[in-house]
Amino acid sequence: TQLLEQSPQFLSIQEGENLTVYCNSSSVFSSLQWYRQEPGEGPVLLVTVVTGGEVKKLKRLTFQFGDARKDSSLHITAAQPGDTGLYLCAGEWDTGTASKLTFGTGTRLQVTL
Amino acid sequence: NAGVTQTPKFQVLKTGQSMTLQCAQDMNHNSMYWYRQDPGMGLRLIYYSASEGTTDKGEVPNGYNVSRLNKREFSLRLESAAPSQTSVYFCASSDRVLGNTEAFFGQGTRLTVV
Repeated sequence: TQLLEQSPQFLSIQEGENLTVYCNSSSVFSSLQWYRQEPGEGPVLLVTVVTGGEVKKLKRLTFQFGDARKDSSLHITAAQPGDTGLYLCAGEWDTGTASKLTFGTGTRLQVTL
Repeated sequence: NAGVTQTPKFQVLKTGQSMTLQCAQDMNHNSMYWYRQDPGMGLRLIYYSASEGTTDKGEVPNGYNVSRLNKREFSLRLESAAPSQTSVYFCASSDRVLGNTEAFFGQGTRLTVV
């Protein structure tokens, strides 16, 4: 079983602050994905990183894949209340017949005014 | 554009009762998945189906069975519900594009077993 651990589990910050969420594993993945989940909804894909060392930016969100493709981070600059939600990392691995996603434990972010 | 549709949205069962969770996708995806989500544990894979006619166990298959009825539909059955199966269940679908496999999720089924 490929395990993904996220830290921190909970984060409560004020609007305008910066934050970083970490996703770590001992396994190597084909890709690493970040999802965001709102209450009562399923997760929605934010970004996929594929190459070791890759950095992707999505407005105020910066995603990085570790050189060894075992870990990743999500950095949010100047957080806004709209960023509130559950952030999940997911590692993709191939079984030969299907691509499977193993999800991390999640980071619940609350951004207050 | 419905995407992934799950029914029901909410269900309360008594211990020992059985039920089937339904899932259908309209994106012509080959792969479909069932996950459960519990507080502090992220999403755990119960079963998945790489293509029509095939199913495989995930991390936590005990107590569940699945059927890939056709390319669109993938159902999850609890034969004898237990309180430990109280959870939120998500169905997802994707196409297998290694390195770029986006999973699309339904809205979830909140199941309580009393």
